[in-house]
Amino acid sequence: AQKVTQAQTEISVVEKEDVTLDCVYETRDTTYYLFWYKQPPSGELVFLIRRNSFDEQNEISGRYSWNFQKSTSSFNFTITASQVVDSAVYFCALPAPAGSEKLVFGKGTKLTVNP
Amino acid sequence: GAVVSQHPSRVICKSGTSVKIECRSLDFQATTMFWYRQFPKKSLMLMATSNEGSKATYEQGVEKDKFLINHASLTLSTLTVTSAHPEDSSFYICSARDGALYEQYFGPGTRLTVT
Repeated sequence: AQKVTQAQTEISVVEKEDVTLDCVYETRDTTYYLFWYKQPPSGELVFLIRRNSFDEQNEISGRYSWNFQKSTSSFNFTITASQVVDSAVYFCALPAPAGSEKLVFGKGTKLTVNP
Repeated sequence: GAVVSQHPSRVICKSGTSVKIECRSLDFQATTMFWYRQFPKKSLMLMATSNEGSKATYEQGVEKDKFLINHASLTLSTLTVTSAHPEDSSFYICSARDGALYEQYFGPGTRLTVT
């Protein structure tokens, strides 16, 4: 069965620090997508990235970067030079099963960036 | 990106009453919408998949008679919590899938409090 594990429940950093949020997944599928979403205090989920399992290249978008390691079933998310506005709960997700429209979410990591 | 709205954003109701929550895709047609439930400090749990013009598909353990879902058009799905009880108090989030494969856009959520 599909499973997403975000072992870090809460992380607290000081502004301008770099922070990495871990995501480990389990899947029987050979091809699949992985997602990251941000949920700020307002509650709305904001789509951050969708990654195809075919593509193991790291992706960078501004201060955000993602490291996909198929060999270790990990899809980690790094925020460089964190800002207070980055404070949110971040969820990693995986379709269950691949080809399904349903998403299985990890438990989320609450990131607090202090000024 | 695509916009999904939910109404109301917050609702307080008395035990035994029914509450309807609307989910609308504002700038795209969504043949499929999803309803999630999120308890405080918890992850999102898929309740049901709503398909336009057909019956919703409920996840295991979700009472279909209690959580009525209607997907009457390509831009609107509704979730009605019938005979609400305090344990139904939660954050309900909908999402809609547009033409892009596996990409879901989430609404801002509805916080339901049953007194």
